[in-house]
Amino acid sequence: DIQLTQSPSFLSASVGDRVTITCRASQGISSYLAWYHQKPGRAPKLLIYSASTLQSGVPSRFSGSGSGTEFTLTISSLQPEDFATYYCQQFNSYPLTFGGGTKVEIK
Amino acid sequence: QVQLVQSGAEVKKPGASVKVSCKASGNTFTSYALHWVRQAPGQRLEWMGWIHAGSGNTKYSQRFQGRVTISRDTSANTAYMDLRSLTSEDTAVYYCAANPGGLYGMEVWGQGTTVTVSS
Repeated sequence: DIQLTQSPSFLSASVGDRVTITCRASQGISSYLAWYHQKPGRAPKLLIYSASTLQSGVPSRFSGSGSGTEFTLTISSLQPEDFATYYCQQFNSYPLTFGGGTKVEIK
Repeated sequence: QVQLVQSGAEVKKPGASVKVSCKASGNTFTSYALHWVRQAPGQRLEWMGWIHAGSGNTKYSQRFQGRVTISRDTSANTAYMDLRSLTSEDTAVYYCAANPGGLYGMEVWGQGTTVTVSS
């Protein structure tokens, strides 16, 4: 199985900060990576697919980059509604797997 | 716009089975895949398997092979996830999710169904 390791696992930041989350895959997954965020008690929401394509309706402050084994999600200016847990997911091979999550909290 | 609505919370005894449903809106049900993902308390999301609603083809995670069956009823625009031989470790929120746009990402999610396994 492909393991996805996210870092950091916890991040404390202020509104307006630039935030970067990393996802490393245990083997190459081309660009078959998606990013989600999830708020407590809610289902995940797709932010980015194919590593760098912004999902329709998602604000442009979110961006994704990377290919192969290293990927990043960047939030250019953190907004109050962005405080959540972020997950990466690979679609390269079965079983589909998720990272362990990065919880973004208000400083 | 596809929306997914799941069945309500379940409480089961160890050894029992649970069947969770996921009803899709719209008239494109047979054109996409539906995934099942679960999340145990405080744990990461875990993919269980998927079904292509049109062909009925399925793919399961080896971790659940033999214990899970994913099916669909095209006349009801509904997919089902049946999990057998439940233990306390199966206590989780179960989500269905779909990628009707064929994207490499789960675009649409159900609201989640809490399954509690307790004696």
